[in-house]
Amino acid sequence: GENVGLHLPTLSVQEGDNSIINCAYSNSASDYFIWYKQESGKGPQFIIDIRSNMDKRQGQRVTVLLNKTVKHLSLQIAATQPGDSAVYFCAETSRGYNKLIFGAGTRLAVHP
Amino acid sequence: NAGVMQNPRHLVRRRGQEARLRCSPMKGHSHVYWYRQLPEEGLKFMVYLQKENIIDESGMPKERFSAEFPKEGPSILRIQQVVRGDSAAYFCASSPVPGQDTYEQYFGPGTRLTVT
Repeated sequence: GENVGLHLPTLSVQEGDNSIINCAYSNSASDYFIWYKQESGKGPQFIIDIRSNMDKRQGQRVTVLLNKTVKHLSLQIAATQPGDSAVYFCAETSRGYNKLIFGAGTRLAVHP
Repeated sequence: NAGVMQNPRHLVRRRGQEARLRCSPMKGHSHVYWYRQLPEEGLKFMVYLQKENIIDESGMPKERFSAEFPKEGPSILRIQQVVRGDSAAYFCASSPVPGQDTYEQYFGPGTRLTVT
């Protein structure tokens, strides 16, 4: 459902490690999903998207996995770099619906 | 190719004043969305507009808030008689016609509203 919470969960990783960020989405009718990266003081930046007819999609250093059975999305970042430090949000929508519903977000902290 | 432009980037208003937030979509985009973000939270949808039309305002508070996207000029989010609870970051996003290739929305840098 709509995101709630006062404090974002934080994932801390070492530079060079792989990161996995998880998201549970709310609407079983959603058929399009996006991962956004938001750096401090900036707007969300598109990372990767996936349609519901796929279960995996790869980009440059990133992979998104979709499990519709349990309504779960994950974002995998390979060889995490300090520049990857940000808050990551998943968003869902459905065909013809247009508005994005955002998840609660996860803060990724990359340590050198 | 300029991205989504928002101004002002920071806006301070006293309680009871009006706030006007502007958004110019990316070139070629005719669909605009407004979202609100409280600290440490995700973005929440407010309103979806096309030129001269409000398509979905299900996320807009019933009172004090209004939005428009005129035929010429930027989209405007207007908040009348602001209260402290209106303090937040307001993001605008734009898209081409949804569903042709992608439902991706491109976000602007946001306007941070502080009500004192």
